[in-house]
Order: sequence, then C-alpha cells, then structure tokens
Amino acid sequence: KAGVTQTPRYLIKTRGQQVTLSCSPISGHRSVSWYQQTPGQGLQFLFEYFSETQRNKGNFPGRFSGRQFSNSRSEMNVSTLELGDSALYLCASSSLTSGATDTQYFGPGTRLTVL
Amino acid sequence: AQSVTQLGSHVSVSEGALVLLRCNYSSSVPPYLFWYVQYPNQGLQLLLKYTSAATLVKGINGFEAEFKKSETSFHLTKPSAHMSDAAEYFCAVRSGGAGNNRKLIWGLGTSLAVNP
Repeated sequence: KAGVTQTPRYLIKTRGQQVTLSCSPISGHRSVSWYQQTPGQGLQFLFEYFSETQRNKGNFPGRFSGRQFSNSRSEMNVSTLELGDSALYLCASSSLTSGATDTQYFGPGTRLTVL
Repeated sequence: AQSVTQLGSHVSVSEGALVLLRCNYSSSVPPYLFWYVQYPNQGLQLLLKYTSAATLVKGINGFEAEFKKSETSFHLTKPSAHMSDAAEYFCAVRSGGAGNNRKLIWGLGTSLAVNP
C-alpha cells in the first residue's frame, strides 16, 4: 500500500504570496491532519479533515486554510505569506477505525521557505 | 489541558549503550501516548503507542516504553544503541475522552546522536 504523499517537497516563495500544498492519504484513510514543524515551536497542529469536513482546528490565523476532497485528498493554503511561515508542513492520515488510539501515518512533508 | 515534556533536547550515547529518552505528560483524562521517530528529511514514523492494554509497550527497531501513571511518564528505552538510531524522537499524547477533539499534543523532540 502506498504511503502518504505530499507535493511539492520543496517550495520557495516571497512574502505576501500565497501557496497551496497537497496531500494524498493512504488509500482507505479518510482522516487527514496537517502540522507545522519549526525548530523553535516543534510540531503544531493546524487542522484535521474527515469526509470533507473540518473536525478540529489549531491556533493559527485565518491565513491558514484547508479543504478535503471526496477522494480524501487534502490541500492546505497559506495566504499573504510571512517570513515566520517558513517551516516543514506535514500531513498525516489515519483510518479512524480504532478511535483515540488510531495511528497517524505521516508524509515526508513540504519544506516551505519564505524569503 | 494536555501537555508533553521531553527532558533533554539532545542526547548522545555510544554505540551499544543504553538509550533512554524521557517523556512526561499532563492529562486530566486517561491518556493515549505515542512515540514517533523522524529521520533527516523524512516524515514521522510510529515507534510504539500506549493504548492502556499493557503498561510495557514494545515497538519497532528494539525500542520499548513503560507507562507509569504515578510518575506521569512514558520513557523510551533501547538496550543497545545502533548508529542507525540517530534521529529525532517525539513523544505525543492524545485525550482518551469522547468527542471530536482528538488532536495529538507533541513534545518538542529529543535529538539522539550515536557515537561510534
């Protein structure tokens, strides 16, 4: 079974631009979560989608948004990029068959650099 | 509110030595606990998880962790370190309560270096 894939792997943008990142979950997984990883803040939860609906949301400004499609693929969008948005963005999928003990399977991440 | 503290942002051991990575959690409800490993330029991979079935949990690559409720700890150990164990290790907690708030709360990570 193919793992979680994220595209693109690397991205360089300038301040004020907008960016869209894509995530394809493991086949059969309907839950997709997004995380931002930075050296200073560690892993921070952005949001979780299940069946095209946002179930949970972290403490990020409205510039960060996401969506999920009917095939469970997910995208996240960051508008009006700031230097502080430079980070590794990780996507994780899970099957939600085990409830709170579900394992999240991570993709390799998208490294975003904002200049 | 839940939280995770990983003691020691950097740990260095010699090849063949015991690996001990510390994780303490705070949770008002029975927690579910996870250890993940991240190799350079890769995503996170699950090492093991505590689901209340057994307090001593065995994971992949020879790692294990023991849930100690009295100490609110879930330390990760491996009897003998291998060079390939050099990576970043993350401890995470998730609420076992009902409802939709099932997000993982993460520690800041511990970077493990293994010296030859």
